[in-house]
Amino acid sequence: EVVLVQSGAEVKKPGESLKISCQVSGYTFTSFWTAWVRQMPGKGLEWMGMIWPGDADTRYTPSFQGQVTISADKSINTVYLHWATLKASDTATYYCARHINYGGDSGYFDFWGPGTVVTVS
Amino acid sequence: EIVLTQSPGTLSLSPGERATLSCRASQSVPSDYVVWYQQKPGQAPRLLIYDAFFRATGVPHRFGGSGSGTDFTLTINGLEAEDFAVYFCQQYGTSVTFGGGTKIEV
Repeated sequence: EVVLVQSGAEVKKPGESLKISCQVSGYTFTSFWTAWVRQMPGKGLEWMGMIWPGDADTRYTPSFQGQVTISADKSINTVYLHWATLKASDTATYYCARHINYGGDSGYFDFWGPGTVVTVS
Repeated sequence: EIVLTQSPGTLSLSPGERATLSCRASQSVPSDYVVWYQQKPGQAPRLLIYDAFFRATGVPHRFGGSGSGTDFTLTINGLEAEDFAVYFCQQYGTSVTFGGGTKIEV
């Protein structure tokens, strides 16, 4: 069974740093891209970027390039999303998801984690 | 970037009725690579349809996807109580973009 488990809710202040995690099981971690998707309160879904854990190849959408860092630890089947300096506008729910790749950065998300709520205030 | 516009924003229906949700792309989606997700309050999205019309594993047959080019549709035949939720389309013909969502309410 494919399962993605995310770290718990966070409340931080502007300017602080944060790293949230997503641990996967039920499939070969290094054989699929893992992505992060943002959902701001009451809003839609935004794809942020993704990582190929096998070699740490990472891709970001232009809106999130330089704003966050995605990394992975193959030894514990875990992907991370890191902010060096949080802003109030980073308040959102962040989902990790397995990305079914159709070439380049195209693809869809077949399994999702439950989400991590991040509040910056 | 391919922009997806979903309509209507909200659909008010009763259990047993048919829901028809539209997803219109700003340009033709290559290979009709469109998926649909269902999201309930406080939950993660759930994949329903991929490649425009294939049902994901475990998705009931009352959910159907159709369309091509710039116009795609999700149809739910015989709404059940658990179907009242928000539905998002997403294209992956060129990178990834999501529609703004349609809420089905009672």
